Amino acid sequence: AQKVTQAQTEISVVEKEDVTLDCVYETRDTTYYLFWYKQPPSGELVFLIRRNSFDEQNEISGRYSWNFQKSTSSFNFTITASQVVDSAVYFCALSEEGAQKLVFGQGTRLTINP
Amino acid sequence: DTGVTQSPTHLIKTRGQQVTLRCSPISGHKSVSWYQQVLGQGPQFIFQYYEKEERGRGNFPDRFSARQFPNYSSELNVNALLLGDSALYLCASSFKAGGLRSADTQYFGPGTRLTVL
Repeated sequence: AQKVTQAQTEISVVEKEDVTLDCVYETRDTTYYLFWYKQPPSGELVFLIRRNSFDEQNEISGRYSWNFQKSTSSFNFTITASQVVDSAVYFCALSEEGAQKLVFGQGTRLTINP
Repeated sequence: DTGVTQSPTHLIKTRGQQVTLRCSPISGHKSVSWYQQVLGQGPQFIFQYYEKEERGRGNFPDRFSARQFPNYSSELNVNALLLGDSALYLCASSFKAGGLRSADTQYFGPGTRLTVL
């Protein structure tokens, strides 16, 4: 069975601090796909990144970076120099090969204080 | 480009009633998925449709049903509403439904917030 765990329920930091959101996943498949979504107060889930299990290259996009480690089944998300606009709930999700669904973690509520 | 659209934005119903939620995918996308998000939790998969056929179903009772139309828009129907059906219902679209060594990225709409009294 597939499962995603985001152990951090809430994180609160001061603006300009770096913050890392943890994601640990479980799957029996050798081919799978990992995603991060951002959910601002408006409710819409905004796609941030997708990572294939056969591509372990880490990625950086501006202030955002993602660290994928198959050895520890983790796909962590780091925001550098956080800004108030980064405040949202962030979800990590998993999709197995051929599966028709995303399995989401419980989400981490990130609050950036000015 | 227009993203995924959903209607209505908010809906209030009473127990036992029926509700229909609507979703229009991104232009060119042929797959639509529905998710239920209860307050404080992550979204839970309900259905996926591709080319008008059901391609996946989550662990939801038969009171939940859906369909996809020739223009790839979709409706989610919930009968005999219960208080526990109160949630944000999210629709997501993708180009296709995924397959061997592939999984299309799903793009989400703003959701319909359903309140059952």
